[in-house]
Amino acid sequence: EADIYQTPRYLVIGTGKKITLECSQTMGHDKMYWYQQDPGMELHLIHYSYGVNSTEKGDLSSESTVSRIRTEHFPLTLESARPSHTSQYLCASSDDWGALDTQYFGPGTRLTVL
Amino acid sequence: AQSVAQPEDQVNVAEGNPLTVKCTYSVSGNPYLFWYVQYPNRGLQFLLKYITGDNLVKGSYGFEAEFNKSQTSFHLKKPSALVSDSALYFCAVRDHNTDKLIFGTGTRLQVFP
Repeated sequence: EADIYQTPRYLVIGTGKKITLECSQTMGHDKMYWYQQDPGMELHLIHYSYGVNSTEKGDLSSESTVSRIRTEHFPLTLESARPSHTSQYLCASSDDWGALDTQYFGPGTRLTVL
Repeated sequence: AQSVAQPEDQVNVAEGNPLTVKCTYSVSGNPYLFWYVQYPNRGLQFLLKYITGDNLVKGSYGFEAEFNKSQTSFHLKKPSALVSDSALYFCAVRDHNTDKLIFGTGTRLQVFP
């Protein structure tokens, strides 16, 4: 098991609320990622970071934002949650070894917006 | 553009039988290929990867994958399936331009006792 943590594991919240999904890793990895996983399985990259103060948007457009103030921490924020945000959110990290880097995933946060 | 395809949404196999989960890829340049497994209510776990070298790659939990350049395939295999192998399996390829992983759509493996 990799040392990457996500909280909360499950979250049910009402429309319009602001939420932050936490992700932290203790491996000292420079690269971190957020994926959104559809109920039908497919993974979509929504944000990634190459290191502190680096954030990039992924392949799937998302209304969420991220920050990377510390190496170990990569929180994802939704300013105003909507039912369309209901999904599973997976955080991952990898070390910067070029072709050898392997992504390690957290357990995920399952978000339900009512 | 780099991509991977997993042609089967679900694979069913009896316990003790060999299993194969298929993956084909499309890349420019040398492919860097990965297999991940996702158990229920868990994140993805790394199984194995191919970067270079032997075409047969051995990974965790008794899984292996065979890289076939002529068929552009990277099928996941195990000689004898266990019920506990039942999970979602994702093939992925590394995009050389962005260092991002491009995931397939996933294959659900169901091993019956």
